[in-house]
Amino acid sequence: DQQVKQNSPSLSVQEGRISILNCDYTNSMFDYFLWYKKYPAEGPTFLISISSIKDKNEDGRFTVFLNKSAKHLSLHIVPSQPGDSAVYFCAASDPNAGKSTFGDGTTLTVKP
Amino acid sequence: DSGVTQTPKHLITATGQRVTLRCSPRSGDLSVYWYQQSLDQGLQFLIQYYNGEERAKGNILERFSAQQFPDLHSELNLSSLELGDSALYFCASSQLTGGRNSPLHFGNGTRLTVT
Repeated sequence: DQQVKQNSPSLSVQEGRISILNCDYTNSMFDYFLWYKKYPAEGPTFLISISSIKDKNEDGRFTVFLNKSAKHLSLHIVPSQPGDSAVYFCAASDPNAGKSTFGDGTTLTVKP
Repeated sequence: DSGVTQTPKHLITATGQRVTLRCSPRSGDLSVYWYQQSLDQGLQFLIQYYNGEERAKGNILERFSAQQFPDLHSELNLSSLELGDSALYFCASSQLTGGRNSPLHFGNGTRLTVT
């Protein structure tokens, strides 16, 4: 049973437009959510996070939205830049399990 | 640079063999995590150590084992290797346990190829 799902394997957007990456989860015990970005031949790097007590967190061009009732979060990138092209992983943390559970990732391509 | 060092970067070995993957966490981090990424799939959690003790276990096969040493570096041992064990193995570290309010810092991974 996959507890964190990223249903879109890939997303292509034009430079300057908004990129929206989505993530759904099933475990109601998750209370902390993170997005990581991964370039080829590198490990994932932390991008932005949100606690379950909030519904929005913003950091520069990146904003994460959390809808607890729908068990859904999204990452907005505005404006998108070619350097944003990477694989984006959604992750969720259960304080009782002591680990982060990752989705399968969405490959974002930003076209110049 | 995440500060997490994984060696070797690449490993090619035959079925039935045993290998050891090594990880040095970021300075000051007490937690070490191991994740497996098979082709075009997500990161599957294997195991976590905190300050030398096992804290959480995921879908880790019995043929696999890990440990964290007093200097906090960790090793992942994979034995009786099968073709399906070919994957990228990532090590990550964090200050706290569970990744709660403490993002993971990943190494660049070890690519294991079993032939």
